[in-house]
Amino acid sequence: EVQLVESGGGLVQPGGSLRLSCAASGFTFSTHWMSWVRQAPGKGLEWVANINQDGSEKYYVDSVKGRFTISRDNAENSLYLLMNYLRVEDTAVYYCASWTYHSGDHWGQGTVVTVSS
Amino acid sequence: QSALTQPASVSGSPGQSITLSCTGTSSDVGGYNYVSWYQQHPGKAPKLMIYGVSNRPSGVSNRFSGSKSGNTASLTISGLQAEDEADYYCSSFTRSSTFYVFGTGTKVTVL
Repeated sequence: EVQLVESGGGLVQPGGSLRLSCAASGFTFSTHWMSWVRQAPGKGLEWVANINQDGSEKYYVDSVKGRFTISRDNAENSLYLLMNYLRVEDTAVYYCASWTYHSGDHWGQGTVVTVSS
Repeated sequence: QSALTQPASVSGSPGQSITLSCTGTSSDVGGYNYVSWYQQHPGKAPKLMIYGVSNRPSGVSNRFSGSKSGNTASLTISGLQAEDEADYYCSSFTRSSTFYVFGTGTKVTVL
């Protein structure tokens, strides 16, 4: 069974940093693109970033470019999102998802990030 | 890059069929066959229902079907059931710098 388990969320002040992790199991992690998608409270889904199988290609939504960094460790079956210079508008549930045929075919349960003073 | 446009709500009675629309542009929905649909129940993670415009992942009921015409994609739910009540989001690959864009979401209510 495919499992994606996010962790690392929490409360942080504006301008602060957080590192999210996503532990993958039940599938061959190293052969999949992976993505982070977020959902602000009461709002819709927003694609944030994705990374190819060996980490050589990374793409970001414009609003996080230069602030967020996606990475992966295939030996540890883990995906990461380093978030710097956090803003109030980054407050959301952050989901990791395996990405196949330009779609999120499996999703984690999400981790909550709250940016507030 | 603006979000794809979806109706805020759609409702139907058990057993009926309903169709959800998702309108974009030639830079996203109309330009690629990479439209996906997700179902999200309150407090839960999204679940992939359709990928590549009209393909169903293994385990998804054949009551769900997808199509596309021009810049508008559609999700049809036939034989509506109580458990279909949820939020539904479309998504598309886009040639803009956003890379992927989601729809505004449609709340499906089973009367």
